[in-house]
Amino acid sequence: DVKVTQSSRYLVKRTGEKVFLECVQDMDHENMFWYRQDPGLGLRLIYFSYDVKMKEKGDIPEGYSVSREKKERFSLILESASTNQTSMYLCASSLWASTNEKLFFGSGTQLSVL
Amino acid sequence: GDSVTQMEGPVTLSEEAFLTINCTYTATGYPSLFWYVQYPGEGLQLLLKATKADDKGSNKGFEATYRKETTSFHLEKGSVQVSDSAVYFCALSDEGYGGSQGNLIFGKGTKLSVKP
Repeated sequence: DVKVTQSSRYLVKRTGEKVFLECVQDMDHENMFWYRQDPGLGLRLIYFSYDVKMKEKGDIPEGYSVSREKKERFSLILESASTNQTSMYLCASSLWASTNEKLFFGSGTQLSVL
Repeated sequence: GDSVTQMEGPVTLSEEAFLTINCTYTATGYPSLFWYVQYPGEGLQLLLKATKADDKGSNKGFEATYRKETTSFHLEKGSVQVSDSAVYFCALSDEGYGGSQGNLIFGKGTKLSVKP
């Protein structure tokens, strides 16, 4: 079975800290995504990557950066965490860049910034 | 731009009741449509999809029909179970990023609670 693993289920950080959220997929998928999920707002795309070392901004990239040095790993970086970045972060991957392709999601990381 | 609107929750039903969760979309092209489900404490997983007009997606007793004329993709189930309690997200594909990239645009989610 396809597996997308996020390194932490819960994370508590302080304002101004640099935060790394890690995501690993074991399916040799081309595409990887980072979303944040907030009550009443649904899922919003932060960044995605369709190849190693490639990245594209999503709808809300401000305050975030990403890294994809290896195909299986996609990291989300909060350069200087702020309280408005408290959220559930979901990583996803898909095999191809196709409108029909389904996404496989990790279980999420609940980040609290104090 | 493209968007998805789904009915707000929460929705509370008794076991064996009929379920409808409404979803309408706005898109300039011919998107694929999806329903994803998120069980408590888990990530999202694909429930069903439809890739062209009049297609019906189905899985685990859930169904949704791609209606181009009404731009809708309503989710239905004839008899819900307690285990169906979850958050349901309607989504459409988006070719806006890089041409062929199939990014998804999600609705805000509808929380369903089924009581025994």
